[in-house]
Amino acid sequence: AQSVTQPDIHITVSEGASLELRCNYSYGATPYLFWYVQSPGQGLQLLLKYFSGDTLVQGIKGFEAEFKRSQSSFNLRKPSVHWSDAAEYFCAVGVGKTSYDKVIFGPGTSLSVIP
Amino acid sequence: NAGVMQNPRHLVRRRGQEARLRCSPVKGHSHVYWYRQLPEEGLKFMVYLQKENIIDESGMPKERFSAEFPKEGPSILRIQQVVRGDSAAYFCASSPLGGETQYFGPGTRLLVL
Repeated sequence: AQSVTQPDIHITVSEGASLELRCNYSYGATPYLFWYVQSPGQGLQLLLKYFSGDTLVQGIKGFEAEFKRSQSSFNLRKPSVHWSDAAEYFCAVGVGKTSYDKVIFGPGTSLSVIP
Repeated sequence: NAGVMQNPRHLVRRRGQEARLRCSPVKGHSHVYWYRQLPEEGLKFMVYLQKENIIDESGMPKERFSAEFPKEGPSILRIQQVVRGDSAAYFCASSPLGGETQYFGPGTRLLVL
């Protein structure tokens, strides 16, 4: 069965420190992978996506993610965290006939940033 | 450009009442998706619709829940005879024909008393 796991429920980092949020997926075919961010009381905003090609993808707000097929991972990184990055982060995989038929979300990682 | 719009943003219902949630996709988008987010959980897929067609409703509860996306007007998610367990945030997303990315609305937070 298709699934997405985010091992870290909550992460706290200091402002200016680097960040890595982990994501692992289970899917038989080549996945379409996404990272979304959700601020409190808000909807989801797409940070970045991977469909094919270069396995290191750049997104908005200085985020990047690397697809590693051998590890079934798609970890999100940022070299220097800002206080405004505090939010909930969701990794997701598109599993339908096309990438947009059905998207399965991970449980999310809550990020807190210490000034 | 207006993004995905959802209304109401907050909805309070008593047990047994009906809840009707509306979603207006991005202009020109022909695909609509509904997700439910329970407290402290991620989003769960409910249903995928195109204009006048339900494509995939594998995530919809078998009873009390229905969705439509008419030729004209917004998509509607209808919950009949709501129960407290229906309290959640309901998100709508849309994508264009052939699009690979879903764009999310701000959600409707349903509270059942």
